[in-house]
Amino acid sequence: NAGVTQTPKFRVLKTGQSMTLLCAQDMNHEYMYWYRQDPGMGLRLIHYSVGEGTTAKGEVPDGYNVSRLKKQNFLLGLESAAPSQTSVYFCASRLLARNEQFFGPGTRLTVL
Amino acid sequence: GDSVTQMEGPVTLSEEAFLTINCTYTATGYPSLFWYVQYPGEGLQLLLKATKADDKGSNKGFEATYRKETTSFHLEKGSVQVSDSAVYFCALSDLGRDDKIIFGKGTRLHILP
Repeated sequence: NAGVTQTPKFRVLKTGQSMTLLCAQDMNHEYMYWYRQDPGMGLRLIHYSVGEGTTAKGEVPDGYNVSRLKKQNFLLGLESAAPSQTSVYFCASRLLARNEQFFGPGTRLTVL
Repeated sequence: GDSVTQMEGPVTLSEEAFLTINCTYTATGYPSLFWYVQYPGEGLQLLLKATKADDKGSNKGFEATYRKETTSFHLEKGSVQVSDSAVYFCALSDLGRDDKIIFGKGTRLHILP
């Protein structure tokens, strides 16, 4: 099992560019989450999904969109990147009946 | 709403020292409590958990006891190693009330050889 994987590992964007971060899990988990991690701020939840075809907003959803077309994949989109979106992004997943989350290795995004 | 507060770091210790990282929580239900660890350049990994009052979670020499009377879940290790240098996150989750997990801000630990 690969667990939770994230693509890409690193990315540099210019202000206004768009991109999509891909999260994939092979554990048949129902729930998936996107977080951002910034110095001194801990982890902040962006969006999450409780199942295929469903998404919900987290703590800091503005400027991001998500889609969960397949159970194993959760995509995070930035339509028009801003320097404030420079961060490390983590994806996580969990089973419906269990509350521990499994994390991916992260994507480091820099917006110039 | 529910919340988690943990001691601010960084915490710097010498190898073989005793470690305590404090964590307290507020919750209206009966959450499960967790400690996650993040090694440099990696994602978070579950270190240990406790699902009800008085439970003790343990892993890799680390321990934490779910204290409902003091609403605490302090992380302890009797003798730290350089390889324990990482960021430690306390967290809570109440499946009966919320789909999300609530994290503390993290405590960075440096162990000196």
